[in-house]
Amino acid sequence: DIQMTQSPSSLSASVGDRVTITCRASQGISIWLAWYQQKPEKAPKSLIYTASNLQSGVPSRFSGSGSGTDFTLTISSLQPEDSATYYCQQYNSYPLTFGQGTRLEIK
Amino acid sequence: EVQLVESGGGLVKPGGSLRLSCAASGFTFSRYSMNWVRQAPGKGLEWVSSISTSSSYIYYTDSVEGRFTISRDNAKNSLYLQMNSLRAEDTAVYFCARDRNTSSSFEYWGQGTLVTVSS
Repeated sequence: DIQMTQSPSSLSASVGDRVTITCRASQGISIWLAWYQQKPEKAPKSLIYTASNLQSGVPSRFSGSGSGTDFTLTISSLQPEDSATYYCQQYNSYPLTFGQGTRLEIK
Repeated sequence: EVQLVESGGGLVKPGGSLRLSCAASGFTFSRYSMNWVRQAPGKGLEWVSSISTSSSYIYYTDSVEGRFTISRDNAKNSLYLQMNSLRAEDTAVYFCARDRNTSSSFEYWGQGTLVTVSS
């Protein structure tokens, strides 16, 4: 199974900050990586797919990059509504696996 | 508008069974692979099972293999998860999720249904 490791597990940042979350795969997954945002008591929401493609309707301050084993999700200018938990997910092979999540808090 | 509405969750005793349903609308259901993803209370997301458009390809996470059965009815625009021999560790919110057209990432999610396994 491919293990996905996110860092940090949690972070606190201020409105307007640039925030980066990292996701590392235990083996190469090419570009088969997605990012999701989940707010408390809500279903996850798709943000990024194939490592860098922005889901329709997602603000352009979100971006993704990487390939192989190392990936990043960047929020260029943090907004209050970005407070949430973020998950990466690999879909290179079954079983599909998620990172453990990164909780983002707004200071 | 794509909508996925799960139902069938509830309280069940260990060893019991439950059948979850997911009613889909707003898209051509038969053209998309579908998935179940779960989230235990206070925990992260865990993929459970996937089914291809014509049910030819089915996958399970190891911990549910042999106990859970995913199925779909394209005529009824519905996805199902039959859960047998339930354990306490199966307690979670179960989400139905639609694949993106060309990959096994989850483009749309339902609101989830809570399954609690407890005596």
